[in-house]
Amino acid sequence: AQKVTQAQTEISVVEKEDVTLDCVYETRDTTYYLFWYKQPPSGELVFLIRRNSFDEQNEISGRYSWNFQKSTSSFNFTITASQVVDSAVYFCALISGSARQLTFGSGTQLTVLP
Amino acid sequence: DTEVTQTPKHLVMGMTNKKSLKCEQHMGHRAMYWYKQKAKKPPELMFVYSYEKLSINESVPSRFSPECPNSSLLNLHLHALQPEDSALYLCASSQGTGFGSNQPQHFGDGTRLSIL
Repeated sequence: AQKVTQAQTEISVVEKEDVTLDCVYETRDTTYYLFWYKQPPSGELVFLIRRNSFDEQNEISGRYSWNFQKSTSSFNFTITASQVVDSAVYFCALISGSARQLTFGSGTQLTVLP
Repeated sequence: DTEVTQTPKHLVMGMTNKKSLKCEQHMGHRAMYWYKQKAKKPPELMFVYSYEKLSINESVPSRFSPECPNSSLLNLHLHALQPEDSALYLCASSQGTGFGSNQPQHFGDGTRLSIL
């Protein structure tokens, strides 16, 4: 079985603040993949990152960074110097070796105020 | 612009109508997916096609009928829907087989469906 928990339902920040979105996962498999998706009001889910269980290196892409820690089963996402265009629902997702499909977390609604 | 195109963007239909949702991708992906998403919820998988064959049906009611005419197209035929079927319907595609694939899924903008 696999499970993803995004405990933060809604987060509101003021533009230029940094914000971290939490993601905690559960799986019994040693091989698994984690994802982050962004869903703006338009509806499309935009793929942001994929990370496999054997690569714990943190990743930075512009203002986005991801912290993967197997010891705490977490894959947190930080936006630096947030902008209004970052306002969206963000989903963390997991697929593990024995699973048939992607499991999504419940999502975090991020609102960035001007 | 998304690489997965869905039409129509909005659809309003009565419970006795028959309509179809369409999805197209030209990325050469061999796995295609239909998801249903209710407001403030994550997407729920409905169907997966792998190499144009249905590989996963998540116990979806028969009033939803998927079709994959070729590797680029995916349809969802709707008939006798219920008000609770009102939702955002998302299409996605990915490389790989679809079944347990770890490849990123690329999503369309979705069709917002309202059942009167």
